[in-house]
Amino acid sequence: KQEVTQIPAALSVPEGENLVLNCSFTDSAIYNLQWFRQDPGKGLTSLLLIQSSQREQTSGRLNASLDKSSGRSTLYIAASQPGDSATYLCAVRTGANSKLTFGKGITLSVRP
Amino acid sequence: DAGVTQSPTHLIKTRGQQVTLRCSPKSGHDTVSWYQQALGQGPQFIFQYYEEEERQRGNFPDRFSGHQFPNYSSELNVNALLLGDSALYLCASSLGTSGYTFGSGTRLTVV
Repeated sequence: KQEVTQIPAALSVPEGENLVLNCSFTDSAIYNLQWFRQDPGKGLTSLLLIQSSQREQTSGRLNASLDKSSGRSTLYIAASQPGDSATYLCAVRTGANSKLTFGKGITLSVRP
Repeated sequence: DAGVTQSPTHLIKTRGQQVTLRCSPKSGHDTVSWYQQALGQGPQFIFQYYEEEERQRGNFPDRFSGHQFPNYSSELNVNALLLGDSALYLCASSLGTSGYTFGSGTRLTVV
């Protein structure tokens, strides 16, 4: 059974800091991994999708990496801004038609 | 391009009642999945519909049922509501092996 862990549960950083959010999963046989952002009480916004054959994906100030063998992914946020404050969720997909298995998320607060 | 649309946005129901939530997938997507998210938790998979059939189901009781229509839209029905069913219900759509696109969710409160 796939399990996804995100530690710590919450993180507070000053504006302008570069930061890394971690995600680990127990079964390395994944199909792809997706990072989402969730604002309080809202739905999920997809940030980056990494296929199992890829090592990283970039979008603007965000960079996500994937190391299947160690069961880890990281989301790097450069030059953080108060608008980046949200909960960041990582989810893995183990097959082409399979469900997403989510971690509990990391709640990020960027202080002005 | 409209993304995933869910209705209603908020809903308050009494224990024992039944509720229907609706979802219209992103244009071009043919697969719809439903998730339940309790406060402070990650979303939990309920079921997935493809070609009007339930393709996969998570660990949810039979009180949770669904339907997919020929236009790919979907409904989630919950019977005999319990207080513990209070949560944010998220609909996600996809096409083949593309990433999932989520809606804004329906906040269900059972009193």
